[in-house]
Amino acid sequence: AQTVTQSQPEMSVQEAETVTLSCTYDTSESDYYLFWYKQPPSRQMILVIRQEAYKQQNATENRFSVNFQKAAKSFSLKISDSQLGDAAMYFCAYRSPINNDMRFGAGTRLTVKP
Amino acid sequence: DAGITQSPRYKITETGRQVTLMCHQTWSHSYMFWYRQDLGHGLRLIYYSAAADITDKGEVPDGYVVSRSKTENFPLTLESATRSQTSVYFCASKPFLENLYNEQFFGPGTRLTVL
Repeated sequence: AQTVTQSQPEMSVQEAETVTLSCTYDTSESDYYLFWYKQPPSRQMILVIRQEAYKQQNATENRFSVNFQKAAKSFSLKISDSQLGDAAMYFCAYRSPINNDMRFGAGTRLTVKP
Repeated sequence: DAGITQSPRYKITETGRQVTLMCHQTWSHSYMFWYRQDLGHGLRLIYYSAAADITDKGEVPDGYVVSRSKTENFPLTLESATRSQTSVYFCASKPFLENLYNEQFFGPGTRLTVL
């Protein structure tokens, strides 16, 4: 089964600066989907950004971008110009194209300092 | 209300009692999912359903029962609750026709405490 690892339980960033959250995964599949979800204190799971494995171009959504390294099985999230509202738990997730089992990492708690 | 809702939002129960968590979605999505969220584990899939009357086990199904008689509802039952089932439970849904990124849409979660 696929596994997703987030090696940083907690991260901190100064407001307006840039932070990168790490994610690695283990799979034998060649095509799959990767996601970053944000979970604020409200507990709502909010999709931040997504990437298809066959696409070489890194996904970008406004201040959020990813560094997708397929060979290294790495999928890091970069948040630029960090804002106080970015403070949350961030989860990396993997989904196989074959079944509906989405595997999540353990999460990284991001603190944004004013 | 449109979207995906869960009830109750908070529940306290005792060991051995039966508990049912409700999930309702108004999008007519074919797929529905139940996850539990625990510290250090992220979200783990309990059960999912591809359509009414079709369900399948996920990563951690033991101690749980699901049913899906209607497309819009996907209740999760703990037949005899245990303390290890204290967790936050999330329901999610996804349309049958795969969108480009297979996004799942999550409900607000139910915090369950088993004493």
